[in-house]
Amino acid sequence: GESVGLHLPTLSVQEGDNSIINCAYSNSASDYFIWYKQESGKGPQFIIDIRSNMDKRQGQRVTVLLNKTVKHLSLQIAATQPGDSAVYFCAENIENSSYKLIFGSGTRLLVRP
Amino acid sequence: DAGITQSPRHKVTETGTPVTLRCHQTENHRYMYWYRQDPGHGLRLIHYSYGVKDTDKGEVSDGYSVSRSKTEDFLLTLESATSSQTSVYFCAIRDTTGGGSASTDTQYFGPGTRLTVL
Repeated sequence: GESVGLHLPTLSVQEGDNSIINCAYSNSASDYFIWYKQESGKGPQFIIDIRSNMDKRQGQRVTVLLNKTVKHLSLQIAATQPGDSAVYFCAENIENSSYKLIFGSGTRLLVRP
Repeated sequence: DAGITQSPRHKVTETGTPVTLRCHQTENHRYMYWYRQDPGHGLRLIHYSYGVKDTDKGEVSDGYSVSRSKTEDFLLTLESATSSQTSVYFCAIRDTTGGGSASTDTQYFGPGTRLTVL
């Protein structure tokens, strides 16, 4: 079926280290992917996106990698900071689906001081 | 925050009562969405709208109805609230910016409404 999932529910990293959050998707017709960050008590916040015609996209301290061969998406956060502690979701848009995103269940990132 | 507000932010109600949640946006976005978020389920689409009076169902639409009589407001109604509808409800809008490979076509979320049905 159409689903987006994450490998690790909780990730704990030392402040200053790099973080990698992974996501698997199942629908080969997905053409657009987004990473969101959600802090406690707030709505999801857009971080970065990538289209299926790309395999890498970089933002400020974040990089998203897309491997369409194995249907895998990752979010890399460089020099992780305490403010990065949150739940991270990946989402996919299936081509021609009237732009309805399908979200994964989320990974909690904990940054140790 | 893409000019999105939700009201109320918190509500406690009793089983069987009707409840209406409001999403208001100030930037004339065509697409609006209602999601619910529950532990272990992530965000699930309830209903969405692609224009005034144009709405469609999402994956968890049973027990919910929506209305969009003007661009800026998207209302979610629980006709007869049940305890299984206790959740956090998020509204979102679709925004497209830029062009070519640098374009962004994503959803931006409101702050959420925490609903408790006793």
